[in-house]
Amino acid sequence: DGGITQSPKYLFRKEGQNVTLSCEQNLNHDAMYWYRQDPGQGLRLIYYSQIVNDFQKGDIAEGYSVSREKKESFPLTVTSAQKNPTAFYLCASSPESGKRIYGYTFGSGTRLTVV
Amino acid sequence: DAKTTQPNSMESNEEEPVHLPCNHSTISGTDYIHWYRQLPSQGPEYVIHGLTSNVNNRMASLAIAEDRKSSTLILHRATLRDAAVYYCTTGNNRKLIWGLGTSLAVNP
Repeated sequence: DGGITQSPKYLFRKEGQNVTLSCEQNLNHDAMYWYRQDPGQGLRLIYYSQIVNDFQKGDIAEGYSVSREKKESFPLTVTSAQKNPTAFYLCASSPESGKRIYGYTFGSGTRLTVV
Repeated sequence: DAKTTQPNSMESNEEEPVHLPCNHSTISGTDYIHWYRQLPSQGPEYVIHGLTSNVNNRMASLAIAEDRKSSTLILHRATLRDAAVYYCTTGNNRKLIWGLGTSLAVNP
């Protein structure tokens, strides 16, 4: 079955370390997104990418970096510059066809905790 | 960016219809209205989306006000599996603005 796979499901990071969250999709979707979810808050956009080798900052990009070398993959690196990285991270994808709008497909998330 | 406002929580009985409201009074003319639902520790699941006209799919119906400043997600017969947090979002494929959602409880 097609879908989005996020790994790992749980991740623990020491302060000062960089960590990379994996996101892979086999839906042949062009667009991919990274969101952060904190308790009591809605999802906030970190980065998005509409095509390979191109990505745009979202609302809270500081302290994060991404790459889009392949259509299927959109890894997120949480750097030591991110002061409050403990959160639930969600990856999503959608078809991209210009004017037509599609719903997003989400992965099951990665819960990152700073220890 | 358009902001969405939803009730914090709602309750329904099994096999009864549920109407989940959402206000998005600052929505722009080209923004779509999306609904997703989320179970604890899982990613959101797409439910439905629309622009101006009412929309139906196998999961739900979406009723959009004529002035597009509000919308209502309709679950025609609630089941226990429909208990979740329902998010109303607005935007386009580049950016969706997410509110805090409505936690729906379904009583057997």
